[in-house]
Parts: sequence; structure tokens; C-alpha cells
Amino acid sequence: ETGVTQSPTHLIKTRGQQVTLRCSSQSGHNTVSWYQQALGQGPQFIFQYYREEENGRGNFPPRFSGLQFPNYSSELNVNALELDDSALYLCASSRDRAEQYFGPGTRLTVT
Amino acid sequence: KQEVTQIPAALSVPEGENLVLNCSFTDSAIYNLQWFRQDPGKGLTSLLLIQSSQREQTSGRLNASLDKSSGRSTLYIAASQPGDSATYLCAVKDSSNTGKLIFGQGTTLQVKP
Repeated sequence: ETGVTQSPTHLIKTRGQQVTLRCSSQSGHNTVSWYQQALGQGPQFIFQYYREEENGRGNFPPRFSGLQFPNYSSELNVNALELDDSALYLCASSRDRAEQYFGPGTRLTVT
Repeated sequence: KQEVTQIPAALSVPEGENLVLNCSFTDSAIYNLQWFRQDPGKGLTSLLLIQSSQREQTSGRLNASLDKSSGRSTLYIAASQPGDSATYLCAVKDSSNTGKLIFGQGTTLQVKP
């Protein structure tokens, strides 16, 4: 167990809807990175938040957005859901962008 | 652009066999390389992390090596057990400000009793 928690564990949404995923970082960590893992693929970097500011973004459209709170927990928001957004969403926390510790993930299914 | 490749995509071995999983990357300017284990539908468990200045790391029956100049890493599993069945992912941490991880597609291992 890494101490990183994510909620919910699983959810089902309809195409066009919006979704918010949550991540609580490990104690003492100030950085959260989000990854998308499609079935049978390796995780892909979405973006990173460091001390409440976005600190880098992967090749994902603007409908993927996020924020980080003063307690360093984080949210990932996805608007206008598409079928291809169905994936396991992983968050990882770290201290000052050092080694990343992963949470259990949120399984999103878009129908 | 950094690309990480893992071969084979899937592997099935009898219990007790020693095995090697391969990982290659295209850009040698990495900060470190990490091997993860992932059980179906679950998150990632870190197995071994090798800094760019290191050649190998060991933990129990696992040994990971790193050859930066050739862009290769191997994960050696000794005396495999059915409980080792999982997907193994390697990831390189790039030297950018974010230090994001770039993953391979993974190798799915099945160890038969």
C-alpha cells in the first residue's frame, strides 16, 4: 500500500457527460501526476500538478483538466466524454517531483 | 521523442523457470528506469528503480539491469512462482521538469503450476 487513494473505484458514464475523479496524495507529498491506461496498453501521462500549479501536460485535449488543492489532493475532470475515454485512470504522488507512488486507479467506462 | 518498447508482449512459463523480460528505450537521456507489477484491473506496484548512474538493482528473486548506452533494461525473475503471474511494465523517467514516466506496453506473464 502506497498511501495514495483514489475515488471512485469504478464508474460508468454516458458519452457527452462530464466526470470528476479524485486523488489523495501520500502524506508529505506535494506533487500529483495523472495517467490514462487504456486496456492492454501502458499508462500515458496526462498532466502533473506541483504545489497547486499545472507543471506539464501530455498529449491530451483541453477537455481534460485538473486542479490541486492546498492539502495537495487533486481532481481530474473530463468534459464531453467520448467512448475512447474508457480507461483506468491512475494518479501518482511524489515529493518535489521525485519517485512517484501510484494509487489503485479509477476504472471509467463510457457507453 | 522517447519511446519505450517491451518484448515479448506475453510469456507463459512453467513454475520454477528463470526468465528475462526485456525493455528498450530510444533516448538515453533518462533520469532513472523503474519496473512495475500490475495485477488485472489494479494499480501499479513498484518493484525496482535504477538510477541512471547505476547498472543494476536486486530485490529478492528479482534483478534489474540497465545499459543506458544501448537503451536496454532487463528484469530477471529467478525460480518463478504462480504468484508472479501479472503484467510487468517498465518506465523511464525523463529529464524534463516534470519528470514524467514514459511506459512500455507491458509484458503479461503467466506462470503455470
